[in-house]
Amino acid sequence: GQNIDQPTEMTATEGAIVQINCTYQTSGFNGLFWYQQHAGEAPTFLSYNVLDGLEEKGRFSSFLSRSKGYSYLLLKELQMKDSASYLCAARDSNYQLIWGAGTKLIIKP
Amino acid sequence: GAVVSQHPSRVICKSGTSVKIECRSLDFQATTMFWYRQFPKQSLMLMATSNEGSKATYEQGVEKDKFLINHASLTLSTLTVTSAHPEDSSFYICSAKGAGGDYTEAFFGQGTRLTVV
Repeated sequence: GQNIDQPTEMTATEGAIVQINCTYQTSGFNGLFWYQQHAGEAPTFLSYNVLDGLEEKGRFSSFLSRSKGYSYLLLKELQMKDSASYLCAARDSNYQLIWGAGTKLIIKP
Repeated sequence: GAVVSQHPSRVICKSGTSVKIECRSLDFQATTMFWYRQFPKQSLMLMATSNEGSKATYEQGVEKDKFLINHASLTLSTLTVTSAHPEDSSFYICSAKGAGGDYTEAFFGQGTRLTVV
């Protein structure tokens, strides 16, 4: 079956760095997405990886290893507003998104 | 980036009534729209995939006669929850994908919080 695994919750300190891991198993693979979702709001797009390697976008970076079925989202210089859930989603051979349950990130002062 | 607008953002309805949710792509033609449901502290669950001008494809376990989807134009899809019951209370989110491209699906509407009383 198809499956996405990511930690349920993580805690980090303001100004620090945090890495949120995601492993996936899908029927075929057409890219991996990371989204940020604040409570009560729709997800917002953060990053997209389809090739191996690191994609950097400001304070956020995303890494993909297709051979390992693994990705991570790296958040630097954490701010209180980064407190949110971070959703990992892999797109399968039918171009359908398979979603993880999300990682709730708690930022402490 | 692409803009997807969803309305209403919140709706409260009485049990047994129907509710219509609209999803519009504002600056691109959405050949495919996706409807999701999300219960508190749970992941997004795909309900159906809607292609312009054709019948929606529903995921297993989603009642097509209860959740009516219409995608009559390239910029508008609607989800109608018919004979709503309290267990239908949830957060409903649409996303839209244009023709071609690799991740235009990445953009979501604002979501609709449905409460059935």
